[in-house]
Amino acid sequence: GQQLNQSPQSMFIQEGEDVSMNCTSSSIFNTWLWYKQEPGEGPVLLIALYKAGELTSNGRLTAQFGITRKDSFLNISASIPSDVGIYFCAGLATNAGKSTFGDGTTLTVKP
Amino acid sequence: EAQVTQNPRYLITVTGKKLTVTCSQNMNHEYMSWYRQDPGLGLRQIYYSMNVEVTDKGDVPEGYKVSRKEKRNFPLILESPSPNQTSLYFCATLASFFSPDSPLHFGNGTRLTVT
Repeated sequence: GQQLNQSPQSMFIQEGEDVSMNCTSSSIFNTWLWYKQEPGEGPVLLIALYKAGELTSNGRLTAQFGITRKDSFLNISASIPSDVGIYFCAGLATNAGKSTFGDGTTLTVKP
Repeated sequence: EAQVTQNPRYLITVTGKKLTVTCSQNMNHEYMSWYRQDPGLGLRQIYYSMNVEVTDKGDVPEGYKVSRKEKRNFPLILESPSPNQTSLYFCATLASFFSPDSPLHFGNGTRLTVT
Protein backbone atom coordinates (compact mmCIF):
# COMPACT_ATOMS: atom_id res chain seq x y z
CA GLY A 1 0.00 0.00 0.00
CA GLN A 2 0.92 3.65 0.07
CA GLN A 3 3.60 4.68 2.53
CA LEU A 4 4.36 7.86 4.39
CA ASN A 5 7.83 8.61 5.72
CA GLN A 6 7.58 10.81 8.80
CA SER A 7 10.62 12.39 10.40
CA PRO A 8 12.07 12.78 12.86
CA GLN A 9 10.96 9.74 14.81
CA SER A 10 11.48 11.56 18.11
CA MET A 11 12.54 14.97 19.37
CA PHE A 12 13.79 16.15 22.75
CA ILE A 13 13.68 19.92 23.05
CA GLN A 14 13.76 22.69 25.62
CA GLU A 15 10.66 24.68 26.41
CA GLY A 16 10.49 27.73 24.15
CA GLU A 17 12.22 26.11 21.19
CA ASP A 18 10.59 25.73 17.79
CA VAL A 19 9.84 22.28 16.35
CA SER A 20 9.61 21.09 12.78
CA MET A 21 8.52 17.71 11.48
CA ASN A 22 7.60 16.49 8.01
CA CYS A 23 6.08 13.71 5.98
CA THR A 24 6.95 12.61 2.49
CA SER A 25 5.44 10.08 0.15
CA SER A 26 5.97 8.63 -3.28
CA SER A 27 2.21 8.93 -3.82
CA ILE A 28 0.04 11.97 -4.37
CA PHE A 29 -2.55 12.86 -1.76
CA ASN A 30 -5.54 15.17 -2.02
CA THR A 31 -5.69 15.89 1.71
CA TRP A 32 -3.03 16.11 4.39
CA LEU A 33 -4.01 15.95 8.05
CA TRP A 34 -1.93 16.45 11.19
CA TYR A 35 -2.94 14.84 14.50
CA LYS A 36 -1.69 14.77 18.07
CA GLN A 37 -2.16 11.72 20.25
CA GLU A 38 -1.72 11.50 24.00
CA PRO A 39 -1.45 8.23 25.96
CA GLY A 40 -4.73 6.32 26.14
CA GLU A 41 -6.54 8.71 23.82
CA GLY A 42 -7.52 8.80 20.17
CA PRO A 43 -5.76 11.12 17.72
CA VAL A 44 -7.00 14.70 17.82
CA LEU A 45 -7.01 16.78 14.65
CA LEU A 46 -4.63 19.76 14.69
CA ILE A 47 -4.63 21.04 11.12
CA ALA A 48 -6.27 19.94 7.88
CA LEU A 49 -4.87 20.87 4.45
CA TYR A 50 -6.88 20.48 1.26
CA LYS A 51 -5.02 22.36 -1.49
CA ALA A 52 -1.50 22.04 -2.84
CA GLY A 53 0.63 24.93 -1.56
CA GLU A 54 -1.81 25.73 1.25
CA LEU A 55 -0.26 27.15 4.41
CA THR A 56 -2.50 27.02 7.48
CA SER A 57 -1.98 28.10 11.08
CA ASN A 58 -3.70 27.09 14.29
CA GLY A 59 -2.28 29.14 17.16
CA ARG A 60 1.40 28.21 17.49
CA LEU A 61 1.04 25.47 14.86
CA THR A 62 1.65 25.98 11.16
CA ALA A 63 1.39 23.34 8.47
CA GLN A 64 1.86 23.35 4.71
CA PHE A 65 0.62 21.13 1.90
CA GLY A 66 3.52 20.63 -0.49
CA ILE A 67 3.22 21.85 -4.08
CA THR A 68 3.91 18.37 -5.44
CA ARG A 69 1.14 16.96 -3.15
CA LYS A 70 3.65 14.40 -1.94
CA ASP A 71 4.77 16.08 1.25
CA SER A 72 3.72 18.21 4.20
CA PHE A 73 5.36 19.78 7.21
CA LEU A 74 4.21 20.85 10.66
CA ASN A 75 5.92 23.55 12.71
CA ILE A 76 5.32 24.29 16.38
CA SER A 77 6.65 27.61 17.62
CA ALA A 78 7.68 28.42 21.20
CA SER A 79 7.02 24.92 22.54
CA ILE A 80 5.48 24.42 25.97
CA PRO A 81 5.34 21.31 28.20
CA SER A 82 1.76 20.46 27.17
CA ASP A 83 2.96 20.01 23.57
CA VAL A 84 4.32 16.63 24.65
CA GLY A 85 2.77 13.77 22.70
CA ILE A 86 2.94 11.86 19.46
CA TYR A 87 2.27 13.75 16.25
CA PHE A 88 0.99 11.95 13.17
CA CYS A 89 0.55 12.99 9.58
CA ALA A 90 -2.10 11.37 7.41
CA GLY A 91 -2.64 11.45 3.68
CA LEU A 92 -6.00 10.84 2.05
CA ALA A 93 -6.25 9.80 -1.59
CA THR A 94 -9.80 10.79 -2.34
CA ASN A 95 -10.10 8.66 -5.41
CA ALA A 96 -9.31 5.49 -3.49
CA GLY A 97 -10.98 5.68 -0.06
CA LYS A 98 -7.74 4.73 1.66
CA SER A 99 -5.95 6.71 4.33
CA THR A 100 -2.27 6.37 5.14
CA PHE A 101 -0.52 7.46 8.32
CA GLY A 102 3.05 8.26 9.17
CA ASP A 103 4.66 6.35 12.04
CA GLY A 104 4.58 9.40 14.28
CA THR A 105 6.99 11.88 15.86
CA THR A 106 7.29 11.61 19.63
CA LEU A 107 7.87 15.05 21.12
CA THR A 108 9.36 15.58 24.57
CA VAL A 109 9.59 19.11 25.95
CA LYS A 110 11.90 19.77 28.90
CA PRO A 111 10.82 22.64 31.16
CA GLU B 1 -22.06 16.93 20.67
CA ALA B 2 -20.40 15.37 17.63
CA GLN B 3 -19.04 11.99 18.66
CA VAL B 4 -17.44 8.78 17.49
CA THR B 5 -18.17 6.19 20.16
CA GLN B 6 -16.33 2.89 20.43
CA ASN B 7 -17.22 0.06 22.78
CA PRO B 8 -15.75 -1.49 24.74
CA ARG B 9 -12.71 0.62 25.71
CA TYR B 10 -10.87 -2.44 27.02
CA LEU B 11 -11.36 -6.11 26.16
CA ILE B 12 -9.45 -9.22 27.21
CA THR B 13 -10.43 -12.43 25.50
CA VAL B 14 -9.12 -15.86 24.58
CA THR B 15 -8.01 -17.24 21.26
CA GLY B 16 -10.89 -18.31 19.03
CA LYS B 17 -13.73 -16.61 20.90
CA LYS B 18 -15.66 -14.44 18.47
CA LEU B 19 -15.95 -10.78 19.40
CA THR B 20 -17.37 -7.55 18.04
CA VAL B 21 -16.12 -4.03 18.64
CA THR B 22 -18.78 -1.44 17.96
CA CYS B 23 -18.39 2.02 16.44
CA SER B 24 -21.18 4.53 16.31
CA GLN B 25 -21.27 8.12 15.04
CA ASN B 26 -23.90 10.86 15.34
CA MET B 27 -22.61 13.16 12.59
CA ASN B 28 -24.33 11.52 9.62
CA HIS B 29 -20.92 10.87 8.10
CA GLU B 30 -20.73 8.74 4.97
CA TYR B 31 -17.23 7.39 5.47
CA MET B 32 -16.13 5.16 8.36
CA SER B 33 -12.88 3.28 8.84
CA TRP B 34 -11.11 0.96 11.27
CA TYR B 35 -7.41 1.10 12.17
CA ARG B 36 -5.09 -0.79 14.41
CA GLN B 37 -2.17 0.83 16.14
CA ASP B 38 0.88 -1.14 17.18
CA PRO B 39 4.16 0.15 18.67
CA GLY B 40 6.52 1.32 15.95
CA LEU B 41 3.98 0.67 13.19
CA GLY B 42 1.71 3.69 13.44
CA LEU B 43 -1.93 3.45 12.38
CA ARG B 44 -2.77 0.86 9.77
CA GLN B 45 -6.11 0.73 7.99
CA ILE B 46 -8.09 -2.51 8.37
CA TYR B 47 -11.35 -1.86 6.53
CA TYR B 48 -13.27 1.18 5.40
CA SER B 49 -16.75 2.02 4.22
CA MET B 50 -17.54 4.79 1.79
CA ASN B 51 -21.26 4.58 2.57
CA VAL B 52 -24.02 2.19 3.64
CA GLU B 53 -23.54 -1.33 2.25
CA VAL B 54 -20.17 -0.33 0.70
CA THR B 55 -17.08 -1.73 2.39
CA ASP B 56 -13.55 -2.37 1.20
CA LYS B 57 -10.27 -3.74 2.48
CA GLY B 58 -7.54 -1.55 3.85
CA ASP B 59 -3.92 -2.56 4.22
CA VAL B 60 -4.33 -5.22 6.95
CA PRO B 61 -7.79 -6.87 6.57
CA GLU B 62 -6.84 -10.49 7.34
CA GLY B 63 -8.74 -11.92 10.30
CA TYR B 64 -11.34 -9.13 10.40
CA LYS B 65 -14.83 -8.58 9.05
CA VAL B 66 -17.01 -5.48 8.96
CA SER B 67 -20.55 -4.58 8.04
CA ARG B 68 -22.29 -1.29 7.26
CA LYS B 69 -26.02 -1.91 7.36
CA GLU B 70 -26.84 1.58 8.57
CA LYS B 71 -25.03 4.86 8.33
CA ARG B 72 -24.26 5.41 12.00
CA ASN B 73 -22.74 2.00 12.86
CA PHE B 74 -19.65 0.20 11.60
CA PRO B 75 -18.84 -2.84 13.77
CA LEU B 76 -15.52 -4.66 13.58
CA ILE B 77 -15.84 -8.43 13.90
CA LEU B 78 -13.12 -10.88 14.83
CA GLU B 79 -14.52 -14.33 14.07
CA SER B 80 -11.62 -16.23 15.60
CA PRO B 81 -9.24 -13.85 17.40
CA SER B 82 -5.57 -14.73 17.66
CA PRO B 83 -2.83 -13.26 19.87
CA ASN B 84 -1.36 -11.30 16.93
CA GLN B 85 -4.58 -9.28 16.90
CA THR B 86 -3.72 -7.86 20.31
CA SER B 87 -3.63 -4.16 19.54
CA LEU B 88 -5.18 -0.75 20.03
CA TYR B 89 -8.08 -0.25 17.62
CA PHE B 90 -9.52 3.04 16.42
CA CYS B 91 -12.64 3.85 14.48
CA ALA B 92 -12.72 7.08 12.48
CA THR B 93 -15.32 8.88 10.42
CA LEU B 94 -15.32 11.51 7.71
CA ALA B 95 -18.25 13.46 6.27
CA SER B 96 -17.58 12.35 2.72
CA PHE B 97 -14.39 11.07 1.17
CA PHE B 98 -15.17 13.13 -1.91
CA SER B 99 -15.81 16.35 -0.03
CA PRO B 100 -12.95 18.86 -0.17
CA ASP B 101 -13.20 19.85 3.50
CA SER B 102 -13.44 16.58 5.41
CA PRO B 103 -11.00 15.61 8.15
CA LEU B 104 -11.05 12.25 9.92
CA HIS B 105 -12.61 12.21 13.40
CA PHE B 106 -11.42 9.47 15.75
CA GLY B 107 -13.01 7.54 18.58
CA ASN B 108 -11.16 7.02 21.86
CA GLY B 109 -9.93 3.55 21.00
CA THR B 110 -10.42 -0.05 22.11
CA ARG B 111 -7.52 -1.88 23.66
CA LEU B 112 -7.86 -5.57 22.81
CA THR B 113 -5.80 -8.33 24.39
CA VAL B 114 -6.08 -11.88 23.03
CA THR B 115 -4.49 -14.58 25.19
